[in-house]
Amino acid sequence: NAGVMQNPRHLVRRRGQEARLRCSPMKGHSHVYWYRQLPEEGLKFMVYLQKENIIDESGMPKERFSAEFPKEGPSILRIQQVVRGDSAAYFCASSPPNSRATTNQPQHFGDGTRLSIL
Amino acid sequence: AQSVTQLGSHVSVSEGALVLLRCNYSSSVPPYLFWYVQYPNQGLQLLLKYTTGATLVKGINGFEAEFKKSETSFHLTKPSAHMSDAAEYFCAVSDERTGANSKLTFGKGITLSVRP
Repeated sequence: NAGVMQNPRHLVRRRGQEARLRCSPMKGHSHVYWYRQLPEEGLKFMVYLQKENIIDESGMPKERFSAEFPKEGPSILRIQQVVRGDSAAYFCASSPPNSRATTNQPQHFGDGTRLSIL
Repeated sequence: AQSVTQLGSHVSVSEGALVLLRCNYSSSVPPYLFWYVQYPNQGLQLLLKYTTGATLVKGINGFEAEFKKSETSFHLTKPSAHMSDAAEYFCAVSDERTGANSKLTFGKGITLSVRP
């Protein structure tokens, strides 16, 4: 009974490189959320996606960051031209599709990807 | 806009003592409220949630929380702390209008230490 799977668990990049973080939601879940956790801070919402659609990207930085959740395969959070300030833990969460039966279902979190920028 | 305030960043209790972690929220609509726990280098695990109905909710590991609308609070308690409770605890709120399928707004978290 796999939960939310994120990989890699740790990712090291040099400034200017690209970082790709992957998230496979729980089985049966079609909603994916990305959050970023900076040191000594809580999690900050970045983006909410359903299959092939971005529902809410109000927390995404305007530049260099993008997210997708294709029809097949995991959700990807992509950071281009990384800078030191991108160092953080990035968490993915998932939840089931909307229905009367699932309306109170909480989001389930993965173990995160710790991104370090050299 | 919604917000969550968790006063203080660190709480230390003795093993067997009462645990009280405070959470106050701000929301223009009826909220859904959550407590999550995070162990080192792991993701967040749901402790308990309030959506509708009974305002005193019980969660895993002996934790419970009470939704008090008049005080806009959702404090987390446990009668007797155990060493394994040492972790970081996050309070979060989401928008009831859209149910669970909406973004969570988190507090900054509180680190709980338990002394032998």
